[in-house]
Amino acid sequence: EAGVVQSPRYKIIEKKQPVAFWCNPISGHNTLYWYLQNLGQGPELLIRYENEEAVDDSQLPKDRFSAERLKGVDSTLKIQPAELGDSAVYLCASSLSGQGIHEQYFGPGTRLTVT
Amino acid sequence: AQSVTQLGSHVSVSEGALVLLRCNYSSSVPPYLFWYVQYPNQGLQLLLKYTSAATLVKGINGFEAEFKKSETSFHLTKPSAHMSDAAEYFCAVSKTSGSRLTFGEGTQLTVNP
Repeated sequence: EAGVVQSPRYKIIEKKQPVAFWCNPISGHNTLYWYLQNLGQGPELLIRYENEEAVDDSQLPKDRFSAERLKGVDSTLKIQPAELGDSAVYLCASSLSGQGIHEQYFGPGTRLTVT
Repeated sequence: AQSVTQLGSHVSVSEGALVLLRCNYSSSVPPYLFWYVQYPNQGLQLLLKYTSAATLVKGINGFEAEFKKSETSFHLTKPSAHMSDAAEYFCAVSKTSGSRLTFGEGTQLTVNP
């Protein structure tokens, strides 16, 4: 079974430029998460999708960040414009909701450097 | 609000020694608890999860954790460290299954030969 796929793995951009990250969850997983991980810290949730619906986006800085999950499968996270402080690793995770405790499976992340 | 505290940002042990990584949580409701491991330039891999079926939880790679409600702790242990255990370890809590994970700051484990 393929894991969570993210691309690109690394991205270097100048500040004020736009950037987008893509995530393909594990097949059949209806819940998708985007986390932000700053250096030396644990990940923090940006947004959670149940199918196509964003059900938890309270930590998403909506002035510059946006996300979508069309058709309830792949997802894209966008930053426009990027700031120096956005340099971090962006992790995507997926899980299968329903009865029981369903763990979140993480992708390898996209490491963003803003110069 | 939930929070997780991991005591010790860096832990160093000798190969073959006991590994003990500490995690304390605060939660207003019975929590779901997890331990994840992260190797350099990789995503997080689940080591184990607390399901409320048993207070002692066994995970992969010989790790286990004990849930102690009275101490609000979920410490991770391994009887004998291996060089391949060197990585960053994160304790996490969620309010319900599938909801957001709240992570601790992480503990970097170093294993010395």
